[in-house]
Amino acid sequence: DTGVSQDPRHKITKRGQNVTFRCDPISEHNRLYWYRQTLGQGPEFLTYFQNEAQLEKSRLLSDRFSAERPKGSFSTLEIQRTEQGDSAMYLCASSLELGLAGVGYEQYFGPGTRLTVT
Amino acid sequence: QQPVQSPQAVILREGEDAVINCSSSKALYSVHWYRQKHGEAPVFLMILLKGGEQKGHEKISASFNEKKQQSSLYLTASQLSYSGTYFCGTEMEEKYSGGGADGLTFGKGTHLIIQP
Repeated sequence: DTGVSQDPRHKITKRGQNVTFRCDPISEHNRLYWYRQTLGQGPEFLTYFQNEAQLEKSRLLSDRFSAERPKGSFSTLEIQRTEQGDSAMYLCASSLELGLAGVGYEQYFGPGTRLTVT
Repeated sequence: QQPVQSPQAVILREGEDAVINCSSSKALYSVHWYRQKHGEAPVFLMILLKGGEQKGHEKISASFNEKKQQSSLYLTASQLSYSGTYFCGTEMEEKYSGGGADGLTFGKGTHLIIQP
């Protein structure tokens, strides 16, 4: 178990450019979550996948954001036409959820990708 | 609905105890506690479920009061390594009855500083 990994760790881009981030979850985990965290705040839920299916999107996720998880393994988060307000830490988390009632499932976070839009 | 954490910040001497609270205005299914150090990922501490027992390991434990919809994190005989920002992440009960969103809803965090 090597944990959740994210790439790149830091990204600086100019406003209007597109960026893509990658997340590799813990290998046996079936759920993958994307969160965004700004300074002084807790992580905010963006979207999640159950295997390869994207099941939920937060209203925070504008149409400039798209996420994929081909083959239910790694995931990518793309932001098109970046804006300065997109500057944040983008966190990925994964969990193994078996759909059992009365059971809680831990989400394990990756180190994050810090995006700075200039 | 974002949970409310209190206090916002705590400064302790090594060896002192601390309590961090997490309250929700909606019925909760679970509360997840994380610690995050500056520039690092949140690290999972423990999860408490509605109807579950108090949990803990070593000198960190937590409880879940269903009547108050509040969870408390207890740090006993604090160590320097306990410094960081503590977040609670909540799942609403409505998520399991067909409504509500997936993913955790986090509070704004409690900054804990342990001084030698």
